[in-house]
Formats: sequence, structure tokens, C-alpha cells
Amino acid sequence: QQPVQSPQAVILREGEDAVINCSSSKALYSVHWYRQKHGEAPVFLMILLKGGEQKGHEKISASFNEKKQQSSLYLTASQLSYSGTYFCGTPSGTRNQFYFGTGTSLTVIP
Amino acid sequence: DAGVTQSPTHLIKTRGQQVTLRCSPKSGHDTVSWYQQALGQGPQFIFQYYEEEERQRGNFPDRFSGHQFPNYSSELNVNALLLGDSALYLCASSPRRLTGATYNSPLHFGNGTRLTVT
Repeated sequence: QQPVQSPQAVILREGEDAVINCSSSKALYSVHWYRQKHGEAPVFLMILLKGGEQKGHEKISASFNEKKQQSSLYLTASQLSYSGTYFCGTPSGTRNQFYFGTGTSLTVIP
Repeated sequence: DAGVTQSPTHLIKTRGQQVTLRCSPKSGHDTVSWYQQALGQGPQFIFQYYEEEERQRGNFPDRFSGHQFPNYSSELNVNALLLGDSALYLCASSPRRLTGATYNSPLHFGNGTRLTVT
């Protein structure tokens, strides 16, 4: 039931763009995105609560395709501070368990 | 406004021992969930508490138990520790009563307790 993320890892130069995908074999009711830096707790980025929803947060945005059971996170003009591991997360079919995705390690280099 | 606080930050235990981890949720939050994060892995859902009851449980054995107090703080207890229990244990809180749903608002995480079992 764990969502699968792709790519597993990506290295970017400052200013480059990246897309992180999150796919589930189960129906997605909502999708959360978090970033976790090494040795720190996950930090909330955004929630998408319904299919077709898109959200933006400065240079980070996301989309949610309910029918395809997937979500994508878009990082544009990446900054060094974007480095970390990105996790999508979603409630289970019962809506009371919460599953994090497999994670995507993103490294931004100067 | 204090965020989610967890204690202790680090803990070293021996196989077979028991451990209690503590969590105070963010002010205004009534729901607490616990996660186990092994090195290099994503957080794995252990269980969730609201209204002082365990509401849902992930795929963890009965050695893992918890409690929620009237002030919404929570404890995670692990009995008969195994080497494989070594991990970062994260607590997350959310304001279920404000949204009427468990996951319609962000999860706020504490900095975790690093448990090492030797």
C-alpha cells in the first residue's frame, strides 16, 4: 500500500527544475508532500485534497490526478535549500492509516 | 507557539528491555500519530490516537502500545526490545476536531527520539 515515488534520487544544479512523481496502486483520497533534511523531522509542503487540484508554494507546486492515482511535485529554479528527501503521503482506503511513499532524495549543487 | 515536542531525544536500551517515548502535540491539536523511521527509509505508520483511544494501527506487533492523555499528549511503549527496533521514532500531531477528518490538514512532526537497541 506504500506509494511508489520516482525517481529514487536526483542531482540538480542550482536553477534547474525537477519533477517528483508519486503513484499508488490504491485509490488516492488526498496527497500530502513533505521534505525531510538529514537528521531532521519531515516538514509539511502542501496537501492536495481532491482530484485535479494544483497548488503552488513559491517555486514548488504540485498536481493530483485522482483517476491516475498519482501526484507530481514540481520544483522550479532549484535552490541549495531544496536539498533533502521528499516524501508523498496518503491515507489508506480506511482513511485512518497514513502511508508515506518510498522517498526521493534530491541534491542541489552549486 | 510551541510545536510538537518529543522526549527523550536519544535513548540506548538493551535487547529485552522496555522503553517509553513521550510526545506533546502542537497547541490546538488533538490527534497524535506515531511513526517508525529506520535509517534510509520513509516513516512507517505505527498507530494514531484521538479522544484518548487508539483509532487505527499499522502493521506493528502488540509489543508496540500507546496511550493518549486528556491533555492530548501521548506515550509510545515498546516491550521486549529487539535489535530491529532501532530507529527514529516520530510523533506527529494534527487538528482533527477542526477539520472533521484525520488527514485534511498538515501533520506537524516532532524532532523524534533516536532509539538504539544493543
